Amino acid sequence: DIVMTQTPLSLSVTPGQPASISCRSSQSLLHSDGKTFLSWYLQKPGQSPQLLIYEVSNRFSGVPDRFGGSGSGTDFTLRISRVEAEDVGVYYCVQSTQFPRTFGQGTKVEIK
Amino acid sequence: EVQLLESGGDLVQPGGSLRLSCAASGFTFNKFAMNWVRQAPGKGLEWVSTISAYGTYYADSVKGRFTISRDDSRNMIYLQMNSLRAEDMALYYCVKGLYFIDYWGQGTLVTVSS
Repeated sequence: DIVMTQTPLSLSVTPGQPASISCRSSQSLLHSDGKTFLSWYLQKPGQSPQLLIYEVSNRFSGVPDRFGGSGSGTDFTLRISRVEAEDVGVYYCVQSTQFPRTFGQGTKVEIK
Repeated sequence: EVQLLESGGDLVQPGGSLRLSCAASGFTFNKFAMNWVRQAPGKGLEWVSTISAYGTYYADSVKGRFTISRDDSRNMIYLQMNSLRAEDMALYYCVKGLYFIDYWGQGTLVTVSS
């Protein structure tokens, strides 16, 4: 199974400041079709998770452009250019390149 | 608007069975893979099972005990859960997508306790 490791596990950010979360996989997430199936989700308090980024760097419909994803192979990063109060919650990366699908442990983001 | 509405969660004794259902709407259901993902209380997300045109897939922790199925005529997916254990207690989400999950339901709570 592919192990997904997120760092840090918690983050306290001043509004307006940038933030980044790292996600590393134990194996390359490059699929045989040439795509890399790494996505990012935000679970706001009391809500279901919501898709932010898919295939490493594609923002989902309606996701603000302050969210960006990058990376390749086994190393990936989610960046928030200017954190807002509504960005609090737990962020998860997940790989969908192979079964079983595996999630990172989650990174809790709070506002200072 | 895509909607996924789970039902069937309940309190069940260890060793018992439960069937979860998910009603989907707002998209061409038979064209998409569907999944169940769970979240134990206060814990992270865990993929449980996927049903797609390529087949069905299960986490090792549920293989042989859970069965995923779908009824494309009714836009429904199901999760038959047998031999339930305390560690199966979680909020179960019905989610859409194969290579990424784009929509999540609100979840249905399964409690396993005597």
